[in-house]
Amino acid sequence: DIQMTQSPSSLSASVGDRVTITCQASEDISNYLNWYQQKPGKAPKLLIYDVSNLERGVPSRFSGSGSGTDFTFTISSLQPEDFATYYCQQYDDLLWTFGQGTKVESK
Amino acid sequence: QVTLKESGPVLVKPTETLTLTCTVSGSSFSNGRMGVSWIRQPPGKALEWLAHIFSNDEISYSTSLKSRVTLSKDTSKSQVVLTMTNMDPVDTATYYCARTPFYFYHMDVWGTGTTVTVSS
Repeated sequence: DIQMTQSPSSLSASVGDRVTITCQASEDISNYLNWYQQKPGKAPKLLIYDVSNLERGVPSRFSGSGSGTDFTFTISSLQPEDFATYYCQQYDDLLWTFGQGTKVESK
Repeated sequence: QVTLKESGPVLVKPTETLTLTCTVSGSSFSNGRMGVSWIRQPPGKALEWLAHIFSNDEISYSTSLKSRVTLSKDTSKSQVVLTMTNMDPVDTATYYCARTPFYFYHMDVWGTGTTVTVSS
């Protein structure tokens, strides 16, 4: 099974900061790499699918990039509502895997 | 507009079998144009994918749990049922079902989740 290594596990940032989270796959994966946001007590919310496609209604300050085994998720200017935990997720050969999550906290 | 809702017991005893139901509202389920996954999240921990039923009724299971998990679908009731045997306290978690759109592999609509505690 493909393993996803997400980093950092947590970070502290201020409103307006640029935030970057990375996800590394244990082997080369296709473009089925997605990013989710989860707030406490809530279900995850899809932000980015297939590496770089913004889900409908998601602000353009969120973006994704990468290929092969290395992928990046960026918030260009952190907003108060963006403090949350973010997960990457991959799909390959009938199996899905989530990263361990990155908690974005207020500095 | 598709919505998903999980239902099932709040508390199960160790060694018991858990049965959870995901009820889907919206036409894409009945016309076979969506898949449904089950995902769980232990308290304070990461998301873990459990199983998926594709629009063609093919089913896939997590490698680590495939001996304990069974997925089935009742199209007439718009339901996907997850069964997990031999429950243990480490299976205490919030269990979510989520939709994958036809021909895609991301989960764009999630249920609100149902919390299951395993304790004697």
